[in-house]
Amino acid sequence: DQQVKQNSPSLSVQEGRISILNCDYTNSMFDYFLWYKKYPAEGPTFLISISSIKDKNEDGRFTVFLNKSAKHLSLHIVPSQPGDSAVYFCAATGGGSNYKLTFGKGTLLTVNP
Amino acid sequence: DTGVSQDPRHKITKRGQNVTFRCDPISEHNRLYWYRQTLGQGPEFLTYFQNEAQLEKSRLLSDRFSAERPKGSFSTLEIQRTEQGDSAMYLCASSRITLVATGELFFGEGSRLTVL
Repeated sequence: DQQVKQNSPSLSVQEGRISILNCDYTNSMFDYFLWYKKYPAEGPTFLISISSIKDKNEDGRFTVFLNKSAKHLSLHIVPSQPGDSAVYFCAATGGGSNYKLTFGKGTLLTVNP
Repeated sequence: DTGVSQDPRHKITKRGQNVTFRCDPISEHNRLYWYRQTLGQGPEFLTYFQNEAQLEKSRLLSDRFSAERPKGSFSTLEIQRTEQGDSAMYLCASSRITLVATGELFFGEGSRLTVL
C-alpha cells in the first residue's frame, strides 16, 4: 500500500510562474515531511522539510504547506526557473521509525523558458 | 568531494551471478542506509546501520541480499544469484544521528544494476 502518494506524474510550467507539487499521505503516525529533488544520473538531494507541528515552512523560493486534517502537503516554487526542472519526491517519516523515509513515486517538473 | 560515494555506478551482470556494491558515507555520519529505486517508483528502504550495527532490514531484502558495514565506515551490499527483478538503482545515504529525527539524508549518486 502506498502510504505517500504523488498523483501527478508530471507538471509543466512556464518560467517565472508558480509551480505547485502535491502529496498525500495515509499514515497518521508520520510527523516529519520532506521534499527531495532529483536530477538524472544523480542521487536525490534534500530540498525542504516541515514538522507536523507547523503548517508552513519557507526557504527562499520554496515553501511547503502542510494540512494535517487533509493529510496533504504541497510544495510551491515561486518563481519557477528552468534549473528547477527535475523529479521531486515527497517523503515522510515518524511513528518511531525516524530513521527511514517513505517516498512517493515522484513528480517530474519541467519549467519551460 | 566529501559527499556520499558509491561504486560502481553501473553494473551489468547475467542472471545467477553475484554482485557487490560499495558505499562510502560522509565521514562524520554514523548512520548509513540502503534504498532501492525501480523505474517509476520512489526510493524504497532496504536496511540501515548505526555505526557497524545493522539495526533493521526491510522485508524487501530477501535472503539473497546481505549488507555489511565493518568498522562503521564504508558499507557493502551484496546480491547473490541475481534475478532480473533485482534490476534497479541502489542508493546509499548517510546521516548524523542528530539529524535522524528530521529524516534528512544525504544520498549518493547510486549504483545501477542491470541483470540480463
